[in-house]
Amino acid sequence: GQNIDQPTEMTATEGAIVQINCTYQTSGFNGLFWYQQHAGEAPTFLSYNVLDGLEEKGRFSSFLSRSKGYSYLLLKELQMKDSASYLCAVKRLSSARQLTFGSGTQLTVLP
Amino acid sequence: GAGVSQTPSNKVTEKGKYVELRCDPISGHTALYWYRQSLGQGPEFLIYFQGTGAADDSGLPNDRFFAVRPEGSVSTLKIQRTERGDSAVYLCASSKGQAVDTQYFGPGTRLTVL
Repeated sequence: GQNIDQPTEMTATEGAIVQINCTYQTSGFNGLFWYQQHAGEAPTFLSYNVLDGLEEKGRFSSFLSRSKGYSYLLLKELQMKDSASYLCAVKRLSSARQLTFGSGTQLTVLP
Repeated sequence: GAGVSQTPSNKVTEKGKYVELRCDPISGHTALYWYRQSLGQGPEFLIYFQGTGAADDSGLPNDRFFAVRPEGSVSTLKIQRTERGDSAVYLCASSKGQAVDTQYFGPGTRLTVL
């Protein structure tokens, strides 16, 4: 199957750290992407993981465990502008280049 | 331009009408994708072009949906006999068509079928 699970909503405080989890079915896995989407705007690319481990990019980091079918996006030093939906997307070997997206996690950053 | 552009940004139509949605990919990107996004959901794959040909159209929901990319650049998504359930944001993305293939999305066309 294609099930990709993420929490629907999360709330955090400005300046804090938040971790957004994503689980997926491991069969035919060929890479995982995280996108950020502000309301009414296009999804924008944040990170890509294909091997196990942590990828760090400034305030954002993404982790992957292929054996567990698990990834997380870590956001540090939260800012108000980080309030957005965060989408986890998986690429499969069987489906050429299409991405299968989760429903997204709506993050609200409070002052 | 610098990014993927889509026109129109909003389209309101009546049930049963025909609509066309246009996508201009990033210059030099050989791969182009169409997705559909309903409120509160992630984008859902529709079709993927490599160059002029549709390499994967497995996501098109039925034969009312069709897409073309005649010169390997601009693409048009065509929907015949629109239904209220077609209402969604239609997103276009493009990529370089390489092994690590990050897709860059346009702002979308919000289609409302009355």
